[in-house]
This record gives sequence, structure tokens and C-alpha cells, in this order.
Amino acid sequence: EAGVVQSPRYKIIEKKQPVAFWCNPISGHNTLYWYRQNLGQGPELLIRYENEEAVDDSQLPKDRFSAERLKGVDSTLKIQPAELGDSAVYLCASSAKPTGELFFGEGSRLTVL
Amino acid sequence: AQRVTQPEKLLSVFKGAPVELKCNYSYSGSPELFWYVQYSRQRLQLLLRHISRESIKGFTADLNKGETSFHLKKPFAQEEDSAMYYCALSGNTGFQKLVFGTGTRLLVSP
Repeated sequence: EAGVVQSPRYKIIEKKQPVAFWCNPISGHNTLYWYRQNLGQGPELLIRYENEEAVDDSQLPKDRFSAERLKGVDSTLKIQPAELGDSAVYLCASSAKPTGELFFGEGSRLTVL
Repeated sequence: AQRVTQPEKLLSVFKGAPVELKCNYSYSGSPELFWYVQYSRQRLQLLLRHISRESIKGFTADLNKGETSFHLKKPFAQEEDSAMYYCALSGNTGFQKLVFGTGTRLLVSP
């Protein structure tokens, strides 16, 4: 089992450019999370999906961030346009049931110059 | 509001010494508390949760509601325990809305 797969692992862009991150959860896991981890901080929840429905996006900055999980499996997190303060590690996690243990991916590290 | 405080950014001990990583929380209801660990070049993973009352890799943590603490302890540290440790809290929703602390780096020297 490969676990949660994320890509790209690293991304460097200039401010105002768009960027997208992809996540493939563990097979059979219906619940998917995106977290953001700033340097020196713990992860912070951005959005949670149950299948293809975003059931908690209260902490997603909707002016520039968007996410989708069209077929209830893979998910994409997009930032457009990126700002300097968006530099962080973006973590995807999945769980087999809504209240179940989270399994994290390795993360996508974004640097905005 | 939910908040998790880990006062130490770095804890450095020698092999065989006892370890205590501090975690204090703020929550008005009945929280669930967790410890996550991230070893070098590995992904974040669950170490233990308070409702399981388990000892994992020699680590234990007891929820003290009076002191609103959930400190992680191990009587004899090993070099392989060196890692980043995060305390996390959820409000009676399992793993759904985890609030993480800022983490403590544990360094165990030989």
C-alpha cells in the first residue's frame, strides 16, 4: 500500500502565479483533508471532504484558494494568485470513515518568491 | 476556542534519560487528545490517543482535565525517539477537526 500520494513534492513559483497540488488518498478512504503547515507551526485544517462533498471549508481562504474532488477519489488544491504568505507545506490526509484515524501524505512544499 | 500549547520548541536529552513533552490545551467541552510524531524524512503519523490508554513505543500520556494537560512521557529515551512531536485536540469529533500545537523537537543524544 503506497499510502496517501501527493504531488508535486516541491514547487517554487513567483508571487501572483497559480499553483495546484494533487492528492490521491488511500484506496477506499472516503474522507479527505487538506492541511496547511507554516514554518514552525502545526498543521491547520483547510478543508474536509466526505466523498465529493466539501463538508467543512470554513478555514479555506476562498478568495484565492479552491479545491475539488470531482469523483470522490483524487483531489486538487489550487491557489490563484499565490502570495508570499502562502509559502508552506500543504498536507493531504485521508481516513476510512468520518471520525477515523487520519493517514497523512508526505506533503507538498510551496515556496513563493 | 480550541487551543493547544506546546511550550518547548526543543527538548534535548541523553539516551536513557526520562522524557516529558508538555502539552496544555484550552477547550470548553470534553476534548479528545492525541500525540502525533514525525520522524526525519517520514510523514506525520499518529502515536497515541488518550481514549486508547495504550503505551506505544514506551510512550504514555495521561489526560489531566484539572490541569488541562496531556503530557507525553517515556521513562528511558532512545536515540530512535528523536523526532518532531505534535499534540493535537479535537472536540468530541474523533479525528475530524484536529487542532495542532506548534510541536516540540525531541533530540536524544548517545
